[in-house]
Amino acid sequence: DIQMTQSPSSLSASVGDRVTITCQASQDITTFLNWYQQKPGKAPKVLIYDASNLRPGVPSRFSGSGSGTDFTLTISSLQPEDIATYYCQQYDSLYTFGQGTKLEIK
Amino acid sequence: QVQLVQSGAEVKKPGASVKVSCKVSGSTLTELSMHWVRQTPGKGLEWMGGFDPEDGETIYAQKFQGRVTMTEDTSTDIAYMELSSLRSEDTAVYYCATKPTFQPLYYFDFWGQGTLVTVSS
Repeated sequence: DIQMTQSPSSLSASVGDRVTITCQASQDITTFLNWYQQKPGKAPKVLIYDASNLRPGVPSRFSGSGSGTDFTLTISSLQPEDIATYYCQQYDSLYTFGQGTKLEIK
Repeated sequence: QVQLVQSGAEVKKPGASVKVSCKVSGSTLTELSMHWVRQTPGKGLEWMGGFDPEDGETIYAQKFQGRVTMTEDTSTDIAYMELSSLRSEDTAVYYCATKPTFQPLYYFDFWGQGTLVTVSS
C-alpha cells in the first residue's frame, strides 16, 4: 500500500499569511494526487486534482505543485473561511489519504 | 447536480453487521462510480471500496475484504454498504462519494452527508 504523510499535522497562521502544507508519498506517484478541504461536520471537498489543477469554483489563492513523491498545497493569502482540515489523496494505486493538516487562525 | 442522501446513525454491538444506504438524486446509479470512505478519529479518511462502471467491477480495499459488501439497486438508485463482524475500531462516520465516470479524473466530487456508526457493547 502507498502511504501518504502530511506535515505539519496542525498549523496556526494569521489572515493574509502564505500557508504551505506538504504531502509525501511512500513511492513515486507521478502527479496522481488530489487535495481536499474539510470543514467541521461537513464532507471533504476537492480543491486540486492531478497535483496542480484547480477545480472550477475554487478560489485562485489555492494552488498545488509537485510530482513523484513530494507535493505542496499553498494558500497565497489566508482567509478566515479557509479554516479547515486539509487532506492529500493519491490515486496511483487505488486510493489513500494523508492523515490531515488542521489549519487554525492565529 | 448530484445529491447523495445517506441513512441515519446506527449503534451496533461488537460482532454485528451494519448496512448503510445512499440515495442518489440528480443522476442515476448507472451513470455514477459510487465509492465508500470512512472517517475515524484515529486513522482519518480511509477508502473502503467502490464500483467502476468502465469494467463493471467492485473493488474493495484489502483491509476490508471479506467483511464489506457494496451493492446497488438501480431500480431505486440506492447504493448500500454492509460491514460485518463489527468491532470498536469500526466506530466511524461512513460516507458515500462519487467519482467522475468515463473521464481520466480520479477524485471524489460528490459526497453524502455521512452516517455515524457506533460500535459499543
